[in-house]
Amino acid sequence: GAGVSQSPRYKVAKRGQDVALRCDPISGHVSLFWYQQALGQGPEFLTYFQNEAQLDKSGLPSDRFFAERPEGSVSTLKIQRTQQEDSAVYLCASSQRTSLEETQYFGPGTRLLVL
Amino acid sequence: AQSVTQLDSQVPVFEEAPVELRCNYSSSVSVYLFWYVQYPNQGLQLLLKYLSGSTLVKGINGFEAEFNKSQTSFHLRKPSVHISDTAEYFCAVILSGGSYIPTFGRGTSLIVHP
Repeated sequence: GAGVSQSPRYKVAKRGQDVALRCDPISGHVSLFWYQQALGQGPEFLTYFQNEAQLDKSGLPSDRFFAERPEGSVSTLKIQRTQQEDSAVYLCASSQRTSLEETQYFGPGTRLLVL
Repeated sequence: AQSVTQLDSQVPVFEEAPVELRCNYSSSVSVYLFWYVQYPNQGLQLLLKYLSGSTLVKGINGFEAEFNKSQTSFHLRKPSVHISDTAEYFCAVILSGGSYIPTFGRGTSLIVHP
């Protein structure tokens, strides 16, 4: 079946613009995670959903970052008034349940460049 | 707070040679350990994980890792690498009794030469 998909794959934004990044998880997966991966670094946790509930948003770097998953499937990560330090790859992952035994399946990421 | 250290940013190796990618962690509580691989322009893929039981864990693509509690290490090994193993490898840790949020290392770039 289809894996996790993300769109757009690449996004160039001018500083100050708002952007919206989309994640389509594997159908039926309850848990959805967003990560930020800066150049040369490992992924860093941003936020986590179980169905439509956002259970942890402790990793969001500022109040310019907002995520939602209104119907418990597709999720959108929105960044308002983008800054150059927001340039990174944004990864989405989903898993069937929230459990250590459950594998997180990652999408290919959205590469955001803020000029 | 936990942290993950991947000591080598790049590991060059010739095809069919053995390889070890090092990972050390620090934590005051028990941890669960993971290795992921990221091929160019793709998402991360789970290679293997240690949750409990045998400290030697076998994963996909011929990789294995050994959990060493006394040395707080979880090094990844493969006895004979292929060109196709060229990728970025990430070690990650999840605290026991906590959330399911992993902390990742900075990654090691494995470069396999013919």
